Amino acid sequence: EDQVTQSPEALRLQEGESSSLNCSYTVSGLRGLFWYRQDPGKGPEFLFTLYSAGEEKEKERLKATLTKKESFLHITAPKPEDSATYLCAVGGTQGGSEKLVFGKGTKLTVNP
Amino acid sequence: DTEVTQTPKHLVMGMTNKKSLKCEQHMGHRAMYWYKQKAKKPPELMFVYSYEKLSINESVPSRFSPECPNSSLLNLHLHALQPEDSALYLCASSQTLARGNTQYFGPGTRLTVL
Repeated sequence: EDQVTQSPEALRLQEGESSSLNCSYTVSGLRGLFWYRQDPGKGPEFLFTLYSAGEEKEKERLKATLTKKESFLHITAPKPEDSATYLCAVGGTQGGSEKLVFGKGTKLTVNP
Repeated sequence: DTEVTQTPKHLVMGMTNKKSLKCEQHMGHRAMYWYKQKAKKPPELMFVYSYEKLSINESVPSRFSPECPNSSLLNLHLHALQPEDSALYLCASSQTLARGNTQYFGPGTRLTVL
């Protein structure tokens, strides 16, 4: 069964303090790795899709990278408005169904 | 435009009520999804429609009844719910069901069952 593990569960940063979130996965044939940002009480907001090892994508202060076993979401000089839960998911199989297999998320808090 | 809309934003219902959640997308996507999300947990898949036909039912209790009237609309009919069904209900859509397609989520409906 496909699995996604995110670490750390929670991360507290000072404004401007760069860091990385990790997403490790086991999937039989990666068809896509997805990063979402979710604010409390709202739906996940799409950030990036990565398809192959070595691929990188950037958006403002965020950069996502992909290897054969894991993905990193690098946050450069974060601001308080970057505080959210970041979800990683892969297109995989779980319980016999093809679906998005999610990690449990990393809750990021950026203090001013 | 990658917008999925959901109504209502909030819903409070008693255990004997019948209500419906609505979802709409105008991206030409042919796959639509219902998810349930409890606090501090990732979204949990409930139903998948592909080309307006039910493709996946993740063993969801019959008190939840999905409907896809056309390629842009998705409904979730609720009847005789239990307090443990209180959650954030999310709709999503993607171009097709293929694994590599990005799913775009709506803002969700916060459901409270009294």
